[in-house]
Amino acid sequence: EAQVTQNPRYLITVTGKKLTVTCSQNMNHEYMSWYRQDPGLGLRQIYYSMNVEVTDKGDVPEGYKVSRKEKRNFPLILESPSPNQTSLYFCASSLRRGEKLFFGSGTQLSVL
Amino acid sequence: KNEVEQSPQNLTAQEGEFITINCSYSVGISALHWLQQHPGGGIVSLFMLSSGKKKHGRLIATINIQEKHSSLHITASHPRDSAVYICAVGMFTSGTYKYIFGTGTRLKVLA
Repeated sequence: EAQVTQNPRYLITVTGKKLTVTCSQNMNHEYMSWYRQDPGLGLRQIYYSMNVEVTDKGDVPEGYKVSRKEKRNFPLILESPSPNQTSLYFCASSLRRGEKLFFGSGTQLSVL
Repeated sequence: KNEVEQSPQNLTAQEGEFITINCSYSVGISALHWLQQHPGGGIVSLFMLSSGKKKHGRLIATINIQEKHSSLHITASHPRDSAVYICAVGMFTSGTYKYIFGTGTRLKVLA
């Protein structure tokens, strides 16, 4: 089944404790991206990748890192999480930029 | 002013009603997407448009590039259509490609 797999679904952590949210797609998509969703603000793009080893900042990249070593995986890394990173996070992919987006199921992150 | 504006923010309808959700944007775009987010949180892409009109089942999406406006129509609405509908635009800017999202329209369809 074609899908974007995102883990974990829920995560509670404490300030400063490094964490990684994983994202994997099985559709051979070139474009992958991360978003955060906050009440009243909607979805905002954090980082995106147009292909292996090609990544770029979105609108809200501060405090986040990404890597794209393989085409299927695009992990989101929070080196030192802070409470203002408490949010609902989504990974998405598309065959190429601008084409239909496929979303992961989301990760609800709480940073205490 | 947000670059992508949706209206209404909230909408309650009776089952069977015809529903319209609007999206206006202020930037040049390469494509516009309509997304559906169910109460469980998952997001599904409904349409991707760069011109004209698309139809899938009871859903119709239109876009007017000159007026920078898109509409999502739901015919014969059903309670299972209750969800948040999100408009997103894709655009080339400063050598990159980015997405800007509207804040969504929360639709509730009553039986």
